[in-house]
Amino acid sequence: EPEVTQTPSHQVTQMGQEVILRCVPISNHLYFYWYRQILGQKVEFLVSFYNNEISEKSEIFDDQFSVERPDGSNFTLKIRSTKLEDSAMYFCASNGVNVANVLTFGAGSRLTVL
Amino acid sequence: KQEVTQIPAALSVPEGENLVLNCSFTDSAIYNLQWFRQDPGKGLTSLLLIQSSQREQTSGRLNASLDKSSGRSTLYIAASQPGDSATYLCAVNRGKLTFGKGITLSVRP
Repeated sequence: EPEVTQTPSHQVTQMGQEVILRCVPISNHLYFYWYRQILGQKVEFLVSFYNNEISEKSEIFDDQFSVERPDGSNFTLKIRSTKLEDSAMYFCASNGVNVANVLTFGAGSRLTVL
Repeated sequence: KQEVTQIPAALSVPEGENLVLNCSFTDSAIYNLQWFRQDPGKGLTSLLLIQSSQREQTSGRLNASLDKSSGRSTLYIAASQPGDSATYLCAVNRGKLTFGKGITLSVRP
C-alpha cells in the first residue's frame, strides 16, 4: 500500500539552528500538508500546499517556517531558527485529487530543540 | 472557528466489552470526518472516514457514525481487546483537518 515517508524520524538540535524535515508524499497525490503535535497536546494544522504554492497556513506558521517542493517528489518543512517551543512531532500528509479525500499521514519526525 | 471535543480524555474497560467513543464538533460545514488511532510516540493510523453525505462506515469490529446536523460522531468498538489500547482521535475536514485531543483507551485483560 502506498505510504508517506518522512525523514529523519528523530532530530535533536540546538536552539537557533535551522532544521529541514523531509517528506515523500504518495506519488499521484496533489495536496500536501504539515501538522505538528506538541507532547500531550492536540495535532495542529500548520500549512497546506497545492499547485506549488501555499493554499492555507495557520497562525503558528510564521516567518520562521517555510515549505518547498523542490523536485516534484520531496516536500520539505524548514524552520529557520528553532526555539524550544518548536519541540514536537511533525507529521506530513498528502491527499489525492480532491480535498475531501482521505489524508494519508507519515510516521512523523520528532524534533527536540535543546 | 471549528472546535472538536472528545470526552472523556481516558477510558479503561475490561476485555470483551463493547464501547462507544464520542466526538463533537461545532461547525457542521465539513467535507468528512476521520477517526485515527495513535499508539504512544507513534504516527496516525487512519481507521475510518465518513463523508458528509454518509451516516456510517464499518471496518471489522469498528463502526463509525456521523450526525452532521447535531455535530456528533461516535466510534463503536465491538468486543474490545488489549491490542485496541491506544489513543483514538477524531478529525473533521474542511480543506484541513481539525483534531480533537483524543481519548486514551486502555483495555484490561
